[in-house]
Amino acid sequence: EAQVTQNPRYLITVTGKKLTVTCSQNMNHEYMSWYRQDPGLGLRQIYYSMNVEVTDKGDVPEGYKVSRKEKRNFPLILESPSPNQTSLYFCASRGTGEYEQYFGPGTRLTVT
Amino acid sequence: GQNIDQPTEMTATEGAIVQINCTYQTSGFNGLFWYQQHAGEAPTFLSYNVLDGLEEKGRFSSFLSRSKGYSYLLLKELQMKDSASYLCAVTISGGSYIPTFGRGTSLIVHP
Repeated sequence: EAQVTQNPRYLITVTGKKLTVTCSQNMNHEYMSWYRQDPGLGLRQIYYSMNVEVTDKGDVPEGYKVSRKEKRNFPLILESPSPNQTSLYFCASRGTGEYEQYFGPGTRLTVT
Repeated sequence: GQNIDQPTEMTATEGAIVQINCTYQTSGFNGLFWYQQHAGEAPTFLSYNVLDGLEEKGRFSSFLSRSKGYSYLLLKELQMKDSASYLCAVTISGGSYIPTFGRGTSLIVHP
């Protein structure tokens, strides 16, 4: 089954404790991206990647890092999480020449 | 930058028709998406318009006017399950074609 998976789905952590949210897709897609979604603000793009080893900042990259060492994986790294990074995070992927993005199920992160 | 506007919330009656508008201001506009998102779930794709005009897909239709920077999503024969957020998003040419989203319109369908 074609899908985008994210882990964990739910995470409660404390300020300053490094964490990684994994994202994996099995559709051989070149494009992958991370969004955060907050009430009243909609989906905002954090980082995106156009292929292996090619990443670029989106609209709200501060406090986040990403890597794309393999085509299928695009982890989101929070080196020192802060409470303002409490949010619902979505990973998405898209193939070259396609327009539809496929979203993962979301990761709800709470930083206390 | 890109500016995308859509109403925050709309209500409608089961069985009725509702039109959700989206206006955008962006340079290098390529196309416009509509996504549906139920609370706490991932967005799901509804439509993608690149050319002017109306595209119909079952109960849902999407319209685009490139010259006016305007789109709408038309939902017919509303059902309770259509209660959700509807997200308008645009892509620009010459870039990653990864969409930038508006803040979404929360649609409440009541009996």
